[in-house]
Amino acid sequence: QSALTQPPSASGSPGQSVTISCTGTRSDIGSYNYVSWYQQHPGKAPKVLIYEVTKRPSGVPDRFSGSKSGNTASLTVSGLQAEDEADYYCSSGGSNSGGSNNYVLFGGGTKLTVL
Amino acid sequence: EVQLLESGGGLVQPGGSLRLSCAASGIAFSSYPMSWVRQPPGKGLEWLSTVSAGGGNTYYSDSVKGRFTISRDNSKNTLYLQMNSLGAEDTAVYYCALCIISCLRGYVDYWGQGSLVTVSS
Repeated sequence: QSALTQPPSASGSPGQSVTISCTGTRSDIGSYNYVSWYQQHPGKAPKVLIYEVTKRPSGVPDRFSGSKSGNTASLTVSGLQAEDEADYYCSSGGSNSGGSNNYVLFGGGTKLTVL
Repeated sequence: EVQLLESGGGLVQPGGSLRLSCAASGIAFSSYPMSWVRQPPGKGLEWLSTVSAGGGNTYYSDSVKGRFTISRDNSKNTLYLQMNSLGAEDTAVYYCALCIISCLRGYVDYWGQGSLVTVSS
């Protein structure tokens, strides 16, 4: 059970788009469409932006979108706004030895800076 | 409004034990699985454990298996985490989390405010 791999930082100017990657293995991202993305501002609890790779909970702007290819998932933030500056974490369900989904992994987090 | 309120955090010596509680309100607690997730200061999130809605099935990360025990009391709308053999690496903010669909999919709908556990002599 190793953490998912994210770039430590990303940046973009207001109005631009930025994409954050999240790489796992065939035991987690590669096997399940169970990728979620969270936004966390300093001192606050995480907030879910995306679940099951591409779905957005009610209230999350459509500027946030998710995708997956093979063992790598991605979060794209379009039309960057100042309030998007935060830490972003991916997560995925996983399984041991090809059995049923029995654990969760998080990525190490990506700090997004809006220039 | 769904609220999750953790308690029981604090300072504990290395090798010691601590029990965290998470009281839920505003939702049919007994219908949903729950998890514990922690975050060391300045670091990322780490999933620790999940318990099914009825409490009969539990799952643990390798890092806490055998040391931590998750449980729930649906009559009290409360989730617990018993932590034993604590070390400095367990210093973190501990969040309880409620999942509408499945915690094991990594999709958390509601988070508590977090409870800080500091392991130090």
